[in-house]
Amino acid sequence: AQKVTQAQTEISVVEKEDVTLDCVYETRDTTYYLFWYKQPPSGELVFLIRRNSFDEQNEISGRYSWNFQKSTSSFNFTITASQVVDSAVYFCALITTYSGAGSYQLTFGKGTKLSVIP
Amino acid sequence: NAGVTQTPKFQVLKTGQSMTLQCAQDMNHEYMSWYRQDPGMGLRLIHYSVGAGITDQGEVPNGYNVSRSTTEDFPLRLLSAAPSQTSVYFCASSSRLYEQYFGPGTRLTVT
Repeated sequence: AQKVTQAQTEISVVEKEDVTLDCVYETRDTTYYLFWYKQPPSGELVFLIRRNSFDEQNEISGRYSWNFQKSTSSFNFTITASQVVDSAVYFCALITTYSGAGSYQLTFGKGTKLSVIP
Repeated sequence: NAGVTQTPKFQVLKTGQSMTLQCAQDMNHEYMSWYRQDPGMGLRLIHYSVGAGITDQGEVPNGYNVSRSTTEDFPLRLLSAAPSQTSVYFCASSSRLYEQYFGPGTRLTVT
């Protein structure tokens, strides 16, 4: 079985502060993919990043960066200089390549609600 | 290219009624899935399909049926609606292990 834990239910920051959203995952498989999605107040789900288990290189995209550490089974997401438009619920998710039960099932964490206060 | 479309956007049902939530994608993706989103629960997988004619259960399949007769369409059927099925439903499609593209969602209320 696979599991994704986002321990932070809600976070509030003041605009321009940096914020890190934590994601810890569990899987028996050696090949898997991790994702982050954003759900703004309008409700749609927006894909942010995909990372495979063999690529531990950190990634930066503008104000967003992701830190993947297999040793701690974590895939954390940092927003630098937060803005009000970053206010949303953020989901971390996991999919594995195991061909048995549970294959191709995207498992989501429960999400972290980020509020950026102007 | 419309991506993933879902209809209806909103629906109110009475307990015991049946209905079908429609989902279609035009990206020729082999993998499609249905999730429900409830407050504090994240998204939970209901059913998924890895290709036309192939479906399987996810985490919360009870009360729902699916079929996949074409690559493009993946309808979700509620045979006898219950208040516990009040939720927001998302359909998604992807090319296997790549990112899933989500539809805009259907907000369902069962009274």
